[in-house]
Amino acid sequence: AQSVTQLDSQVPVFEEAPVELRCNYSSSVSVYLFWYVQYPNQGLQLLLKYLSGSTLVKGINGFEAEFNKSQTSFHLRKPSVHISDTAEYFCAALYNFNKFYFGSGTKLNVKP
Amino acid sequence: EAGVTQFPSHSVIEKGQTVTLRCDPISGHDNLYWYRRVMGKEIKFLLHFVKESKQDESGMPNNRFLAERTGGTYSTLKVQPAELEDSGVYFCASSQGTGPETQYFGPGTRLLVL
Repeated sequence: AQSVTQLDSQVPVFEEAPVELRCNYSSSVSVYLFWYVQYPNQGLQLLLKYLSGSTLVKGINGFEAEFNKSQTSFHLRKPSVHISDTAEYFCAALYNFNKFYFGSGTKLNVKP
Repeated sequence: EAGVTQFPSHSVIEKGQTVTLRCDPISGHDNLYWYRRVMGKEIKFLLHFVKESKQDESGMPNNRFLAERTGGTYSTLKVQPAELEDSGVYFCASSQGTGPETQYFGPGTRLLVL
């Protein structure tokens, strides 16, 4: 069965420090991977997506993610976080052009 | 261009009552999806419309949930009668085509059943 796992429910980090939010997905021949962010009282906003091609994907707000097929991972990274990055981040997988499977979310708390 | 909108933003009802959630997708988007997040768990797929037709409703929890999409525009999700376990955040999303398309999400409706 398809599934997405986000191992960390909460990640505290100081401002300007690097951060990595982990995501693993269940393997499939055809899978597309996404990261969404939800700021308080807002909808989910697309950060980046991997469809094919280069395994390193760059998104908005300085975030990037690397698709690793052998480890079935799609970890999200940012070299230097800001207070404004405080939000909840969701990893999602699209199998066979159909519905999204989401992870349980990771709350990133950036401290001054 | 307006994004996906959902109404109401919050709803508090008692067990046994009926609630109707509404979603207005981005204009021109044929695909409309409903998702639900219960108690801080993962966001789960409920169903998918292509225009006014239900393409996939495999995620609908039971027959207390009824989704419609009149004329292929806005959609409603009715819960009747509501149970305590229906509490959560209901998200709507839309996309222009099928395939690995980005789905654009609304802000969600927070439903609390007491």
